[in-house]
Amino acid sequence: GENVEQHPSTLSVQEGDSAVIKCTYSDSASNYFPWYKQELGKGPQLIIDIRSNVGEKKDQRIAVTLNKTAKHFSLHITETQPEDSAVYFCAAKGNNAGNMLTFGGGTRLMVKP
Amino acid sequence: DVKVTQSSRYLVKRTGEKVFLECVQDMDHENMFWYRQDPGLGLRLIYFSYDVKMKEKGDIPEGYSVSREKKERFSLILESASTNQTSMYLCASSGPNRNEQFFGPGTRLTVL
Repeated sequence: GENVEQHPSTLSVQEGDSAVIKCTYSDSASNYFPWYKQELGKGPQLIIDIRSNVGEKKDQRIAVTLNKTAKHFSLHITETQPEDSAVYFCAAKGNNAGNMLTFGGGTRLMVKP
Repeated sequence: DVKVTQSSRYLVKRTGEKVFLECVQDMDHENMFWYRQDPGLGLRLIYFSYDVKMKEKGDIPEGYSVSREKKERFSLILESASTNQTSMYLCASSGPNRNEQFFGPGTRLTVL
């Protein structure tokens, strides 16, 4: 089945700096890659996603890039703000039964004011 | 707004007890999921259901069962709770395209 690795597990940045979180996946047939943000005391919420026919997608301060050849994708957050502090999860929709999502281990992002 | 609710935010049970975790969604979604979340391990799928009375095993089904008698409700059952089932449990639902999943706030279960 699909395996998703996520790095780093924790990331601390100064407010205004950029943050990058990287994920690799194992199933070359995976075709959908979402990113979820989990704030304290809440369930994860989708913030951006990318499909395999696109190399990059941007939504205001967040962007995701995908390299299908290397089987990795990244989340980029620019001009970080304290409210960006949360746990971020990447995921991949593999070619397994039911096309379920496989999640990475998560990254705790801390933005210091 | 999609709303996924879970019956308890915090739950403390004793080893050997039978535990029921309830999840309800209000968007008429076909698909529902149960995950457990542990530090460093991300979200691991326990069971999912794509229709009433249908269920499929996820990656870590051992020690768990599920029930889906109504479309809006998906229950996770721990037949005999053990300490290694202490975790955060997240329920999610999704519509027909199965892409975006909407999560509940989670139930933090402690088994003593």
